[in-house]
Amino acid sequence: AQSVTQLDSQVPVFEEAPVELRCNYSSSVSVYLFWYVQYPNQGLQLLLKYLSGSTLVKGINGFEAEFNKSQTSFHLRKPSVHISDTAEYFCAVSEPSGTYKYIFGTGTRLKVLA
Amino acid sequence: NAGVMQNPRHLVRRRGQEARLRCSPMKGHSHVYWYRQLPEEGLKFMVYLQKENIIDESGMPKERFSAEFPKEGPSILRIQQVVRGDSAAYFCASSREAGNTEAFFGQGTRLTVV
Repeated sequence: AQSVTQLDSQVPVFEEAPVELRCNYSSSVSVYLFWYVQYPNQGLQLLLKYLSGSTLVKGINGFEAEFNKSQTSFHLRKPSVHISDTAEYFCAVSEPSGTYKYIFGTGTRLKVLA
Repeated sequence: NAGVMQNPRHLVRRRGQEARLRCSPMKGHSHVYWYRQLPEEGLKFMVYLQKENIIDESGMPKERFSAEFPKEGPSILRIQQVVRGDSAAYFCASSREAGNTEAFFGQGTRLTVV
């Protein structure tokens, strides 16, 4: 069975500092990987996704993530955060075929400090 | 092109009442998924529907919960005889095709059972 682990439940970081949000997954088959952002009282917005090809994926709002198959990780990074990046970030996986469900991690709350 | 529309955004029900949550998928999308987010947790898959068909309801509680996606109109998630433990955010997602390369999420319905 697939699972997703987001080890950090909260990450405080100062404005303009870099940030990395960690995501590890377990799966016996190849996967699709996603990062979603949830602003307070909002729905989920797709930041970026990895389906195949280049392991470095660039998304919206200056975020990027790197798929590392050997370490089964898909960490999210941003070189310089803004106050407006304060939100909850969810990593999710799905199998390319046979299923359609997303398995979500428990989320990481990013708090950007002035 | 409007996104996935869910209503109501907030719903308060007393224990024992019924809750009806509505989801209108994006235009051209015929696949709908419902997820539940309990406090401090990630999203958990509940059910996958296509028009007039339930494809997978493996994540639905066995009792009191039902879902439909009629030929005309929105998808409905129905919770009968609500209990305090049903308090959660319920998110609907839709996709154009079966599969999981990208699902678009609504803003969710936050159900509070008092």
